[in-house]
Amino acid sequence: TQLLEQSPQFLSIQEGENLTVYCNSSSVFSSLQWYRQEPGEGPVLLVTVVTGGEVKKLKRLTFQFGDARKDSSLHITAAQTGDTGLYLCAGTISNFGNEKLTFGTGTRLTIIP
Amino acid sequence: KAGVTQTPRYLIKTRGQQVTLSCSPISGHRSVSWYQQTPGQGLQFLFEYFSETQRNKGNFPGRFSGRQFSNSRSEMNVSTLELGDSALYLCASSRWDGANYGYTFGSGTRLTVV
Repeated sequence: TQLLEQSPQFLSIQEGENLTVYCNSSSVFSSLQWYRQEPGEGPVLLVTVVTGGEVKKLKRLTFQFGDARKDSSLHITAAQTGDTGLYLCAGTISNFGNEKLTFGTGTRLTIIP
Repeated sequence: KAGVTQTPRYLIKTRGQQVTLSCSPISGHRSVSWYQQTPGQGLQFLFEYFSETQRNKGNFPGRFSGRQFSNSRSEMNVSTLELGDSALYLCASSRWDGANYGYTFGSGTRLTVV
């Protein structure tokens, strides 16, 4: 059973369009991170959210942590070809100093010029 | 500053052999975690080391082991390789609490078992 489900699994849109990627779980997370990974490279951290309802913006990217800290979304405005990549959410369940990061299934985004 | 360095980048091994992968974290980072990435299973946590001690472990068989040295550099070892061990192995480092604040990943070692 996958702890973190991402949707959609694949997304292909035209440059300039908007999109939203979702990350859902039945578990409560103490924090949630979003990464982007390009072919042949490791994931790169985009943002960390820790408070339920928190919204963070990174240029054209908007990240939201659900009020109950069980889900998150990533919204991209006016997508560019440079946004192409594998987007991964990753959550931590608090375990009194024994935390580990669990990754979602990933969303492969392709922006068509 | 230098990022997380993983060596080698590519490796081809035969079934039954063993392999050692190396990771040098960002200077000052004391936590090093290892992940296995495959198309079917995604990113799976292997283990985490902090100050030379294994702090956390994923659900992998005992053939997968690791260690961390006093300079925070880490190695992972896979013995008796199986075809299913073919994957991208990623190392990630953080100052002390990457699970809550984020990790910096290396570019990975692509292991192919034939």
